Amino acid sequence: DVKVTQSSRYLVKRTGEKVFLECVQDMDHENMFWYRQDPGLGLRLIYFSYDVKMKEKGDIPEGYSVSREKKERFSLILESASTNQTSMYLCASSLRAQGVYEQYFGPGTRLTVT
Amino acid sequence: TQLLEQSPQFLSIQEGENLTVYCNSSSVFSSLQWYRQEPGEGPVLLVTVVTGGEVKKLKRLTFQFGDARKDSSLHITAAQPGDTGLYLCAERSNDYKLSFGAGTTVTVRA
Repeated sequence: DVKVTQSSRYLVKRTGEKVFLECVQDMDHENMFWYRQDPGLGLRLIYFSYDVKMKEKGDIPEGYSVSREKKERFSLILESASTNQTSMYLCASSLRAQGVYEQYFGPGTRLTVT
Repeated sequence: TQLLEQSPQFLSIQEGENLTVYCNSSSVFSSLQWYRQEPGEGPVLLVTVVTGGEVKKLKRLTFQFGDARKDSSLHITAAQPGDTGLYLCAERSNDYKLSFGAGTTVTVRA
């Protein structure tokens, strides 16, 4: 059974803290993604990675960075958390094969920044 | 990035009723996916439609892709509480990425 896991389901951090969100997939997928999900806005892509050590900015990268040192692990980093980064964060992975676009999602991390 | 519009934003119905949700764009979709996200979980793929006019069925769920590939609908027959969730449509924007609509939140009351 395919699986994407995220390190925390709920996280509360203070403004200015450095925050790490971890994601691990066990499907040997090349592509990995970080989204944030806010009511009425759907899923917005923050960053994605198509290979180890490779990354590309998504639609809303400001205030975030990522790291992919191993194929199965993709980390999202909030260098200095702010209250407007309170959100649900979803990690996903997919194969890099022509015509295959299904993304497999983790359960999400609900981050609250106070 | 193509803008996907989903309607309605919220839908609350009684168990046993039917419902339809919609996904529209001003541009032609290359292909379209429907995902369902249950409370507390990540989205899960339900179906991918590729050909204009295509109809796919998944038990009580029927997915239609418009002839012009600018719209799609999801119809649920005899809805059950287990159908409760956020229904998202998504379109491939390039080889790697998907663009998602804002979703329709469906609540089925027992």
